[in-house]
Amino acid sequence: EAAVTQSPRNKVAVTGGKVTLSCNQTNNHNNMYWYRQDTGHGLRLIHYSYGAGSTEKGDIPDGYKASRPSQENFSLILELATPSQTSVYFCASGGNNNQAPLFGEGTRLSVL
Amino acid sequence: QQKVQQSPESLTVSEGAMASLNCTFSDGTSNNFRWYRQHSAKGLEVLVSIFSDGEKEEGRFTAHLNRANLHVSLHIREPQPSDSAVYLCAAMSNYNVLYFGSGTKLTVEP
Repeated sequence: EAAVTQSPRNKVAVTGGKVTLSCNQTNNHNNMYWYRQDTGHGLRLIHYSYGAGSTEKGDIPDGYKASRPSQENFSLILELATPSQTSVYFCASGGNNNQAPLFGEGTRLSVL
Repeated sequence: QQKVQQSPESLTVSEGAMASLNCTFSDGTSNNFRWYRQHSAKGLEVLVSIFSDGEKEEGRFTAHLNRANLHVSLHIREPQPSDSAVYLCAAMSNYNVLYFGSGTKLTVEP
């Protein structure tokens, strides 16, 4: 069964600390995405990838890095976390243009 | 960059009455639109995908696309309380990136 798994599901971090959010997909999809969701903003694209070794900046990449070491895994890295990065983060994977991207359950991040 | 706007922000309907949600987009070059549903900040569930002008039905959910008017809508037939959720419209760019609206919160009252 197609799946996108995010870890951790919940995270509390301190300001200035490093945070890594992980995403694994078993769908053999080339494309993967990281979004954040905040009240009033819907889902906003942070980074995306077209395959292993590739990362692209989305609409709000500042303060975030991404890593795609393999087809299955895509990480979002906050090197110096700030309270403004408190949000719910969603990972998704997608195949060809006619396949609807599949989403993980989300990671709730609080930066104190 | 595709900009997607949804209306209304919130909608309350009675169980069994038709619910209609709207979405307008800024760039007419996309031909790939999705409606997703999200229960209580959980993951997104795709409801309908539509790629050409006209209508696409998936069970009780029907999407209408009119690219000339930069408009796509979702109609939910016989909504139930379990359909209460946030509904998100998304347009896919030529680079296989989904752009989302800010959502419509639907409440279905028994």
